[in-house]
Amino acid sequence: NAGVTQTPKFQVLKTGQSMTLQCAQDMNHNSMYWYRQDPGMGLRLIYYSASEGTTDKGEVPNGYNVSRLNKREFSLRLESAAPSQTSVYFCASRSGLRNTGELFFGEGSRLTVL
Amino acid sequence: GENVEQHPSTLSVQEGDSAVIKCTYSDSASNYFPWYKQELGKRPQLIIDIRSNVGEKKDQRIAVTLNKTAKHFSLHITETQPEDSAVYFCAASTKWGIVEAGTALIFGKGTTLSVSS
Repeated sequence: NAGVTQTPKFQVLKTGQSMTLQCAQDMNHNSMYWYRQDPGMGLRLIYYSASEGTTDKGEVPNGYNVSRLNKREFSLRLESAAPSQTSVYFCASRSGLRNTGELFFGEGSRLTVL
Repeated sequence: GENVEQHPSTLSVQEGDSAVIKCTYSDSASNYFPWYKQELGKRPQLIIDIRSNVGEKKDQRIAVTLNKTAKHFSLHITETQPEDSAVYFCAASTKWGIVEAGTALIFGKGTTLSVSS
């Protein structure tokens, strides 16, 4: 079982470039999430998908778009990267059948925008 | 939406001492409160959680207490060891967004625990 897999692990972009972070889970989870982690700011929710075919904004959605491609995959897109989007991005998933399920994280993607 | 406050932001203790981290939440409908540990360069991992119908839960050296009336919960680590050094995050699970069944974990800003031997 791979759990939650996200790619790439590292990426350097120039301001204005676009990129997509990919995430896949093999635990048959309904809900998937994207968080960003910045020093002193904790983990902030960007977008999430409660189930296949649905997406919702989180705490800090500006500058991002998401796609729930199927039950396994949930991608995060930066259309025009800005230095403020330099961060570590974590994809996560949980069963979603109950509000009390464990959240499983991917290994993270470190993005630097110059 | 839910707001989770976590204190302190840094905590230094001697090996063998106890450590306590406290969190408050704003949404009275939140019903699940996990704690995650994140070692340097690694992903956050669940160490203990508590549901709103329970006041306290223990797992060896760690325990979590929940006070629903006051909307706060705490992590207690006893007999701390150097390998407990990490960043700890509390979180609250709450309904989020327009999807009827949609829920999300909202995290505190984290506590960096340093245990010196």
